[in-house]
Amino acid sequence: NAGVTQTPKFRVLKTGQSMTLLCAQDMNHEYMYWYRQDPGMGLRLIHYSVGEGTTAKGEVPDGYNVSRLKKQNFLLGLESAAPSQTSVYFCASRLSGGSETQYFGPGTRLLVL
Amino acid sequence: RKEVEQDPGPFNVPEGATVAFNCTYSNSASQSFFWYRQDCRKEPKLLMSVYSSGNEDGRFTAQLNRASQYISLLIRDSKLSDSATYLCVVNPPLTGSARQLTFGSGTQLTVLP
Repeated sequence: NAGVTQTPKFRVLKTGQSMTLLCAQDMNHEYMYWYRQDPGMGLRLIHYSVGEGTTAKGEVPDGYNVSRLKKQNFLLGLESAAPSQTSVYFCASRLSGGSETQYFGPGTRLLVL
Repeated sequence: RKEVEQDPGPFNVPEGATVAFNCTYSNSASQSFFWYRQDCRKEPKLLMSVYSSGNEDGRFTAQLNRASQYISLLIRDSKLSDSATYLCVVNPPLTGSARQLTFGSGTQLTVLP
């Protein structure tokens, strides 16, 4: 099993450009999450999904959109990138039921100029 | 006040030392508690859950004090490979089935030879 994978690993954008980050998991997990991590701030939840076709806002959703068309994929979109969105983005997934362990992907480093 | 607060460190300790990290959380109704480990430029990974009765996993011991809203992690006989950032993680109430987690900003540990 590959676990949780993220593409791309690194990207540089200009202000105003758009892009989509892809998260894929092969563990048949119901729940998926997108976080951003900034120095001194810890991980903050952007959006999450409790199943195929469902999404919900997290703590810092502004400027981002998400889609969960297939159970194994969770896409994070930036419609018009801003320098404030420079960050490391982590995707995570979790089984439904009792276990609360979240499994993280390797991250995407995004620089917005 | 942050929901989860940790001393950012850095903690620099010699090999073989015992080191303790503390964490406080603001919501007294929080349900679940964890320590995650994050290596430099890598994704977070679950180190251990924290139970009310305290729990131990090899050289690692986690304690929870609900009255003081305080979580601790003790590492005995530190190894060079323990060098990482340790994230205190709390599952606050009212997050429903999605079990959203709140992350502290992390405590950085460097074990020196």
